[in-house]
Amino acid sequence: DAGITQSPRHKVTETGTPVTLRCHQTENHRYMYWYRQDPGHGLRLIHYSYGVKDTDKGEVSDGYSVSRSKTEDFLLTLESATSSQTSVYFCAISDRYGYTFGSGTRLTVV
Amino acid sequence: TQLLEQSPQFLSIQEGENLTVYCNSSSVFSSLQWYRQEPGEGPVLLVTVVTGGEVKKLKRLTFQFGDARKDSSLHITAAQPGDTGLYLCAGEPRGSQGNLIFGKGTKLSVKP
Repeated sequence: DAGITQSPRHKVTETGTPVTLRCHQTENHRYMYWYRQDPGHGLRLIHYSYGVKDTDKGEVSDGYSVSRSKTEDFLLTLESATSSQTSVYFCAISDRYGYTFGSGTRLTVV
Repeated sequence: TQLLEQSPQFLSIQEGENLTVYCNSSSVFSSLQWYRQEPGEGPVLLVTVVTGGEVKKLKRLTFQFGDARKDSSLHITAAQPGDTGLYLCAGEPRGSQGNLIFGKGTKLSVKP
């Protein structure tokens, strides 16, 4: 078990407000990822990190930023939430076997 | 943009039936992974295949990686209600630093 915890599990926020989602891992994995999952689109990569302060953009990075100041924490920030960012967000780590996902954060922007 | 086409999108069968899910692409992948996801949870890794032509078995599930490493299939024998869930394939493009591209998933319902 990679020990991945996402917080919060559910959040409702208003359009235009900033929102930060947290991913915490306990096993010192180098690579961490943020995906969003939407009906009809599947899982799409937002940003990923390959080490402390080393991050890069994924397929759908517009409107999102990330930070990784410690190995164990990877934060996803929506600078100014929009209704199109209503989604389920998953954090993941990778090891030599594959990915291990957190349980997700369901975000609703109203 | 690299795509993974997964089919069928939905599958509803009776307990005891066999089924196959397909994952196809025009791109070559270093590896291909299959995940199963239940409502309200994150996907859980079932298997990773890395060699063209590779076949892996996990109890009643058989996974195959195409010879050209562009496609894969998941076959379930004698499906059980506990097999119900969303099945996702994911490919690792060459040189992607481990980033995966996911298919849109196959939603399987196995009725008793």
